[in-house]
Amino acid sequence: GQNIDQPTEMTATEGAIVQINCTYQTSGFNGLFWYQQHAGEAPTFLSYNVLDGLEEKGRFSSFLSRSKGYSYLLLKELQMKDSASYLCAAPLRAGSYQLTFGKGTKLSVIP
Amino acid sequence: NAGVTQTPKFQVLKTGQSMTLQCAQDMNHEYMSWYRQDPGMGLRLIHYSVGAGITDQGEVPNGYNVSRSTTEDFPLRLLSAAPSQTSVYFCASSYSTGKHEQYFGPGTRLTVT
Repeated sequence: GQNIDQPTEMTATEGAIVQINCTYQTSGFNGLFWYQQHAGEAPTFLSYNVLDGLEEKGRFSSFLSRSKGYSYLLLKELQMKDSASYLCAAPLRAGSYQLTFGKGTKLSVIP
Repeated sequence: NAGVTQTPKFQVLKTGQSMTLQCAQDMNHEYMSWYRQDPGMGLRLIHYSVGAGITDQGEVPNGYNVSRSTTEDFPLRLLSAAPSQTSVYFCASSYSTGKHEQYFGPGTRLTVT
């Protein structure tokens, strides 16, 4: 199976930058996803990384290092609406396209 | 496009009752899946389908059945509900497996007493 680790909770200040880390253990890597989930709502897609490096999409960026089994989501210019859980997801097992999700990082943005 | 729809939004069952959670998508996606989400556990894959007529088990399939007779619909059946199945259930679909983002339905909150 897959073991995805991410911090349970983080708090950051409005306007600041926050980095949410994710580590995974898979050989035969098929890509890593980040999803955002506001309380009481469904997850929504943020990013997909299959190659090493940083992918930027507006205020959100996602980084991947396949050799280290490590990814992070970078949120810049934090806004109150960014308060949500951020879910890291990777293949369920080597060679699989079915996803397993981490338990999520609950981010609280404070004024 | 309505995207991914799920019914009902809320449901209370007694232990031993059966029910079907409905899921439909209008994006012509081949891949559909069911997850449950419990506090502190994250999203866990129950069953998935890579196309009409094809289904397979995920991480936590026990107590659930699925079928995929059309591309659009992917119902999840609980044959004999148990309190351990109290959870929020999400259906998701994507254009193909793995490399494409999954679109999630709004979820069904199920309580089994």
